[in-house]
Amino acid sequence: GAVVSQHPSWVICKSGTSVKIECRSLDFQATTMFWYRQFPKQSLMLMATSNEGSKATYEQGVEKDKFLINHASLTLSTLTVTSAHPEDSSFYICSASSQEPEAFFGQGTRLTVV
Amino acid sequence: GEDVEQSLFLSVREGDSSVINCTYTDSSSTYLYWYKQEPGAGLQLLTYIFSNMDMKQDQRLTVLLNKKDKHLSLRIADTQTGDSAIYFCAETQGGNTDKLIFGTGTRLQVFP
Repeated sequence: GAVVSQHPSWVICKSGTSVKIECRSLDFQATTMFWYRQFPKQSLMLMATSNEGSKATYEQGVEKDKFLINHASLTLSTLTVTSAHPEDSSFYICSASSQEPEAFFGQGTRLTVV
Repeated sequence: GEDVEQSLFLSVREGDSSVINCTYTDSSSTYLYWYKQEPGAGLQLLTYIFSNMDMKQDQRLTVLLNKKDKHLSLRIADTQTGDSAIYFCAETQGGNTDKLIFGTGTRLQVFP
């Protein structure tokens, strides 16, 4: 299957700082990527749909000013958690689709805000 | 609603078959998926089934779909210790194949 790579795998940051997470499709072009959040022992919650060359579409209840998404190219989407707080600590996972209906996921990024 | 429900935990002996069940609510879902997540890792696509099919087999994996009851199952034959993980079913939101709604996840534990 296609490969989606996330970076970093884990990050620890101080409250108030911003953290950028990258999601890359390595061997295919993805016009659409998705960002999910997963709390411990829970399911994945879709945060936003990232569209190449246009604004992201955020799910209800997700603060777009806090979770900035940029999809600058067909192989890269970034999620920036701005002014991070401990409650933002979570596992963030991206996915991308090379051709429907298959979607492939990155390995995830564990964010810990202290 | 868009609830996708799964049992939380399943424990089986190595070599036995495992059956993980899932119920969903969106009758207009186009595709239904099974993903595997190992600790601290992302999701691995195991298999998917188109909504007009009732069965799909892929090596040790068999997916059964009962569209009338909105019930999906994943059977793993000859379960191995390496199969221990969390399994998520997911449905597409209606005809939107881009948006996936995930189930609550089933933790499968395989013991020798």
